[in-house]
Amino acid sequence: AQTVTQSQPEMSVQEAETVTLSCTYDTSESNYYLFWYKQPPSRQMILVIRQEAYKQQNATENRFSVNFQKAAKSFSLKISDSQLGDTAMYFCAFMNLNTDKLIFGTGTRLQVFP
Amino acid sequence: SQTIHQWPATLVQPVGSPLSLECTVEGTSNPNLYWYRQAAGRGLQLLFYSVGIGQISSEVPQNLSASRPQDRQFILSSKKLLLSDSGFYLCAWSDFPRNTEAFFGQGTRLTVV
Repeated sequence: AQTVTQSQPEMSVQEAETVTLSCTYDTSESNYYLFWYKQPPSRQMILVIRQEAYKQQNATENRFSVNFQKAAKSFSLKISDSQLGDTAMYFCAFMNLNTDKLIFGTGTRLQVFP
Repeated sequence: SQTIHQWPATLVQPVGSPLSLECTVEGTSNPNLYWYRQAAGRGLQLLFYSVGIGQISSEVPQNLSASRPQDRQFILSSKKLLLSDSGFYLCAWSDFPRNTEAFFGQGTRLTVV
């Protein structure tokens, strides 16, 4: 069975600084995707970034980038130049492309301070 | 374009009453469908997912059930609600590899009193 672990329940960062959110996962599968989703106070789930397991290059989306360490089963999210609007709950997620099962970690609540 | 509708947005129900939450998707065919529950301040717990009509995978034994009567319709039900069923329920869909992400509804805040 697959699991996703986020060991940081809460994080805080000052505006314009950089913060890294941790995520580890456990699977014996080789065909999967990893995601980071953001849930602001509105509770709408918003995709931040995605990574295909077969791609070695780390994904980047503007200020958001990941450090994908496949052998270590680690998938951390780096937010550069943090903005007040980045304040939200961040969820790491794993999709098994053989079963289409999509599971999430317990989330990290990020607070960006001015 | 694809859209997902989830209703109602808010629901207050007494203990022991039935529940029916509905989710429909437009703009795609044969999507994978998911129901999640988010307890206050906690993560997303996968309750059920479906890869096709009549195919339901249950992840957590509990007081809830799910059905998929049509290709793009997913229903979460309970015959008798418990206090512990309170939470925020999210419906989602995916259709890999056409779209390489999952899309979420607006959610339903359920309070059992």
